[in-house]
Amino acid sequence: DAKTTQPNSMESNEEEPVHLPCNHSTISGTDYIHWYRQLPSQGPEYVIHGLTSNVNNRMASLAIAEDRKSSTLILHRATLRDAAVYYCILRGINNAGNMLTFGGGTRLMVKP
Amino acid sequence: EAQVTQNPRYLITVTGKKLTVTCSQNMNHEYMSWYRQDPGLGLRQIYYSMNVEVTDKGDVPEGYKVSRKEKRNFPLILESPSPNQTSLYFCASSDKTSFWNIQYFGAGTRLSVL
Repeated sequence: DAKTTQPNSMESNEEEPVHLPCNHSTISGTDYIHWYRQLPSQGPEYVIHGLTSNVNNRMASLAIAEDRKSSTLILHRATLRDAAVYYCILRGINNAGNMLTFGGGTRLMVKP
Repeated sequence: EAQVTQNPRYLITVTGKKLTVTCSQNMNHEYMSWYRQDPGLGLRQIYYSMNVEVTDKGDVPEGYKVSRKEKRNFPLILESPSPNQTSLYFCASSDKTSFWNIQYFGAGTRLSVL
C-alpha cells in the first residue's frame, strides 16, 4: 500500500471544526482512503472511507482532492471525546491479508 | 451490541509460560486478525484468518500461533513467551475480505512478559 503523511499533532477548541490533513502523493487509481481513530486505552475505530468523491457520515466528512494526492478529514464540531490519534490509511487491491497499515497518525488534542 | 471481545485485558507472565489470549466476535464475520502495537512502530499484523480453518501469517508471526476452529473465535497462542513480546495486542474482524471493508477492533490486551 502507498504511504501517507500526516502531521504529528493538532490542537482544536471544543465545538469548533477540525480539518485533519493527509498527503498520499503515490496513491494508485484503485486505492481507497480510509480513516480510523484510536481513543485513549481503546482499539482503533473506523471513521470514514472514500475513493474519489467527498463522503459524509454521522461521525465526519472526508474531502478528497481532485488529483487524489491528498485528503482531509473534517470533524464539524470537535468534542472532548474526539481527542484521539487519527490514522489515514490507503487500502488497495494488493492488500494481502486485508491488513491495515497504520502510520504514525495525528494526535488531536481538544481544549475545552 | 456488535462487538469484538478480548480476554484478558491485562496479563503479566514470565518467560516461557504458555498463554492464550482469546478473541470472540458476535457479528458472524468471516475475517479475523491479530495486531500488536508498539511505541514508534504502529500496529503490525501478526496473523489473519479468512474463514474457519484458514489462517495465514501477517508481518510479524514469529513466536505466535493461532487457530480458527469456529467462526466466532480466533485465539492467539504464545507457546513460549519472551520479553520482546511485551506489547499491546488487538484482535479485529470484518465481514468480507475485500479491501474497502470496515474492520472492528477489540479493546486490546496489554501483555507484559518478565
